Amino acid sequence: DTEVTQTPKHLVMGMTNKKSLKCEQHMGHRAMYWYKQKAKKPPELMFVYSYEKLSINESVPSRFSPECPNSSLLNLHLHALQPEDSALYLCASSPGSGTGRRMLNEQFFGPGTRLTVL
Amino acid sequence: AQKVTQAQTEISVVEKEDVTLDCVYETRDTTYYLFWYKQPPSGELVFLIRRNSFDEQNEISGRYSWNFQKSTSSFNFTITASQVVDSAVYFCALKGVIQGAQKLVFGQGTRLTINP
Repeated sequence: DTEVTQTPKHLVMGMTNKKSLKCEQHMGHRAMYWYKQKAKKPPELMFVYSYEKLSINESVPSRFSPECPNSSLLNLHLHALQPEDSALYLCASSPGSGTGRRMLNEQFFGPGTRLTVL
Repeated sequence: AQKVTQAQTEISVVEKEDVTLDCVYETRDTTYYLFWYKQPPSGELVFLIRRNSFDEQNEISGRYSWNFQKSTSSFNFTITASQVVDSAVYFCALKGVIQGAQKLVFGQGTRLTINP
């Protein structure tokens, strides 16, 4: 299994809703990532989990709450989002996230969840 | 500072033409990695190639080829005999260590349209 899966594919939510995005990989990767991508822009890193611990938070607002229940799963909990949070949310994984030789590990991306906040 | 520049925002060519996508990067790291990703309309980022800073050999994979030149800090991507299925947004990315953590820095992307 060499893919990263994400559910749901599309999500429409109101500003008062609570929802979650899910990401799963079974490649034995120990690093997982959340990116946000607005239209016609490159992906922007949000969070990095390394060995199930949060290692990078790119100053993301607290209305986005990541969770890594185990090494194969990554969730992104959403609460009280704003319309400007509408975007494609991409999950990625890589064998490692450290320095040195681990840097050569490419990230494998999932298909993304297209989120619309009304 | 780590930075990737893809000066070509959009390129449109007719099928079977060759096309080159430019990528220029900036980094102070002596060890770094460069990547190309393809993003079709479906949204998924598809990994195409990885190149490390010590390996300046050019690479060819089918109709795809990459030219890495450290002297000009460039990592250009050429598609030979383009096909409609090559239409996508292509991102060049640099992996380096920023504030002690490994991060992938993307260029702005080049939208490639191959017309039949």
